[in-house]
Amino acid sequence: AQKITQTQPGMFVQEKEAVTLDCTYDTSDQSYGLFWYKQPSSGEMIFLIYQGSYDEQNATEGRYSLNFQKARKSANLVISASQLGDSAMYFCAMRENTGGFKTIFGAGTRLFVKA
Amino acid sequence: GAVVSQHPSWVICKSGTSVKIECRSLDFQATTMFWYRQFPKQSLMLMATSNEGSKATYEQGVEKDKFLINHASLTLSTLTVTSAHPEDSSFYICSAEQGATLYNEQFFGPGTRLTVL
Repeated sequence: AQKITQTQPGMFVQEKEAVTLDCTYDTSDQSYGLFWYKQPSSGEMIFLIYQGSYDEQNATEGRYSLNFQKARKSANLVISASQLGDSAMYFCAMRENTGGFKTIFGAGTRLFVKA
Repeated sequence: GAVVSQHPSWVICKSGTSVKIECRSLDFQATTMFWYRQFPKQSLMLMATSNEGSKATYEQGVEKDKFLINHASLTLSTLTVTSAHPEDSSFYICSAEQGATLYNEQFFGPGTRLTVL
């Protein structure tokens, strides 16, 4: 069963507008971490933002914010004021302790920012 | 942030040969390293978790005899693809972390693109 679900294979957004990338997850653990990574065409993985399962406040990092709804098991990424350089693949990931810590990634969403 | 390097960045080899990929943490000691494989336009799939000085833990469906992982020191892990075939062509990415907590940030290498002819 999918542990991380990203239902949007591709998204378009106009430059300077905000966009929300969806992510839902599945776990029975109470303690887990949620991450978002950006992967441009070069292939490098760029860490964007982190949310802990016990964090009551939504995480924010500059133009990135994470809309964490624990009861719904969702962790959507919001990018404000989109820039052309934001065009990339975005991966949602969950880290949990399953006899050792490991991080599992969703299928990803490709974001296209239009000028 | 911390720096993780991979070598080579790309490699082309003939079917049946073995290829070794190195992953190094340049400015920290990595207690754990992870190896991922990414096919075109797909997600990162965890292959194995490697702890220094112990045997790697492989994910279900990953052949440990085909993908040999060695984590000989706190700064170096290697992935050897043995008897590579065209279906092994992929983007291989390692990541490294220091310590073992739920909130650790993983530092990713730039990836190695393997093409098997």
